[in-house]
Amino acid sequence: KAGVTQTPRYLIKTRGQQVTLSCSPISGHRSVSWYQQTPGQGLQFLFEYFSETQRNKGNFPGRFSGRQFSNSRSEMNVSTLELGDSALYLCASSLRTGPYEQYFGPGTRLTVT
Amino acid sequence: GNSVTQMEGPVTLSEEAFLTINCTYTATGYPSLFWYVQYPGEGLQLLLKATKADDKGSNKGFEATYRKETTSFHLEKGSVQVSDSAVYFCALVGGGSNYKLTFGKGTLLTVNP
Repeated sequence: KAGVTQTPRYLIKTRGQQVTLSCSPISGHRSVSWYQQTPGQGLQFLFEYFSETQRNKGNFPGRFSGRQFSNSRSEMNVSTLELGDSALYLCASSLRTGPYEQYFGPGTRLTVT
Repeated sequence: GNSVTQMEGPVTLSEEAFLTINCTYTATGYPSLFWYVQYPGEGLQLLLKATKADDKGSNKGFEATYRKETTSFHLEKGSVQVSDSAVYFCALVGGGSNYKLTFGKGTLLTVNP
């Protein structure tokens, strides 16, 4: 069974631009969560989607948004990029929402210049 | 809120040495506990899990036991290999309705031949 895939793997953007990252979960998984990983803050939860609905949200500004499609694929959007948004963005999927193991993709490395 | 504290390292060992990475947690309810591993340039891989007190998770020679009385989930391996060099993250999904993973800061393990 194919794992979680994320595209693109690497991205370079300029301050003020916006960016969209994509995540395809493991087949049959319906919950998708997004995390930001930085050297200073570590791994931080952004949001979780299940059945096309945002179920939980972390402490990030409204510039960070997401959505989930009927096939469980998810996208994450960051508008008005700041230098501090440079990070590895990780997507994780699980069978359904709940205290279950989450399986991670390889991540998208975003660099904001 | 939920939190995870793990020894930050770095930890440097010789091949075949015994490994312990300490992890303690604070959580409401009855969390599920996980260890994830991240190899350079990759996403996180689920290493093992435990969902209730006294459960022992194990995988690839690694073990961890869910100790509710000491709120701990220490990772151990009897004989490490060079290929075990990576960053290890302890994480939990707490009780309640927010199923985000809360991570420790990670422990860098380097195993020398």
